[in-house]
Amino acid sequence: NAGVTQTPKFQVLKTGQSMTLQCAQDMNHEYMSWYRQDPGMGLRLIHYSVGAGITDQGEVPNGYNVSRSTTEDFPLRLLSAAPSQTSVYFCASSPITRGSPLHFGNGTRLTVT
Amino acid sequence: TQLLEQSPQFLSIQEGENLTVYCNSSSVFSSLQWYRQEPGEGPVLLVTVVTGGEVKKLKRLTFQFGDARKDSSLHITAAQPGDTGLYLCAGARQTGANNLFFGTGTRLTVIP
Repeated sequence: NAGVTQTPKFQVLKTGQSMTLQCAQDMNHEYMSWYRQDPGMGLRLIHYSVGAGITDQGEVPNGYNVSRSTTEDFPLRLLSAAPSQTSVYFCASSPITRGSPLHFGNGTRLTVT
Repeated sequence: TQLLEQSPQFLSIQEGENLTVYCNSSSVFSSLQWYRQEPGEGPVLLVTVVTGGEVKKLKRLTFQFGDARKDSSLHITAAQPGDTGLYLCAGARQTGANNLFFGTGTRLTVIP
């Protein structure tokens, strides 16, 4: 039972480059989300989705795009990487019910130089 | 603006000691969850509290939800080295999607 799978685990980008962080879940969860984790700031919500074809912005969406073409996949795209986007990124999924616990992937550590 | 403030931010104690971590907000939450995170991994759910005043016990861990559903605490009795990790509280708002708002985190180290 894989749960939530994130790739890659580590990535180094130069300023201005673009890339896609992959996230897939095999639990048939309707809700998926992306968080970034920075020291002393906890986890902050970037974008989320309540089902295929539906996405919305979280607290810190600038510089990131998402799409949800299937229930299983929720990729996060960095359009033009900036040093301020150096962080650890976590994808999470859950049933649609508000208050449901989130199932997290193991994260992608991104460094932008 | 951080919706949930946790204290302390860092805690280093000897094995066998007791400790309490606090999670405070000015906002009301429909439920509050506690997660533990190990290095290189994502957070893993410990417990969910839903009712104001609710107390839940998980072996040596006791979780309490404030009467007004704005705050919570985590108490660990007789801490063990295996309790070392980052503890995060997360609140669910009363309307909208299942977006959780996470606290700033408490990094606990239990020294053998």
